[in-house]
Amino acid sequence: TQLLEQSPQFLSIQEGENLTVYCNSSSVFSSLQWYRQEPGEGPVLLVTVVTGGEVKKLKRLTFQFGDARKDSSLHITAAQPGDTGLYLCATHPSGGGADGLTFGKGTHLIIQP
Amino acid sequence: SAVISQKPSRDICQRGTSLTIQCQVDSQVTMMFWYRQQPGQSLTLIATANQGSEATYESGFVIDKFPISRPNLTFSTLTVSNMSPEDSSIYLCSVDAVGETQYFGPGTRLLVL
Repeated sequence: TQLLEQSPQFLSIQEGENLTVYCNSSSVFSSLQWYRQEPGEGPVLLVTVVTGGEVKKLKRLTFQFGDARKDSSLHITAAQPGDTGLYLCATHPSGGGADGLTFGKGTHLIIQP
Repeated sequence: SAVISQKPSRDICQRGTSLTIQCQVDSQVTMMFWYRQQPGQSLTLIATANQGSEATYESGFVIDKFPISRPNLTFSTLTVSNMSPEDSSIYLCSVDAVGETQYFGPGTRLLVL
């Protein structure tokens, strides 16, 4: 089973600050997904990265996939209270899309107004 | 995208009893998955539910404890049997979509006393 290590586990910052969270593995990812989960809801997919070195942007969120496809980062610019939530990285352990996801432990993010 | 509903949304149960959780999707899907999210933790895959065949369970989860039904392409149930306080968790179903995207239901919050 591919293990995903996320850091930091907890992060509390002020509104307007920037932050980066990380997802690492000792194995190569076939692809990597980032989800955000808000209290009382299921995870919602933010992005899927597939190609080494890939960078994707979603408004103030920037996702990077490492060249070796063993790590990924999520950078949030000018964080807002609405960004508060649990950020999870996940991958398909077999490399295909027809199986369940393996999740990292997540980063609990709190943005204080 | 797929819209997923779960019933019940939450429940409080006595130890030794069983609870069946329903998952309904608004479109036909091939793969459905059940996850457990223990308090403050990430998601762990319980099993994959395929229509017309027995569910496939992950290591640490057994059919006697978590029987699953998948009678058609839009519906599945997960039963948590002979519950103990350690089963207190959020139980989420998800479905696969085109490509590798998974959509999650809102979860069922279970408290076992």
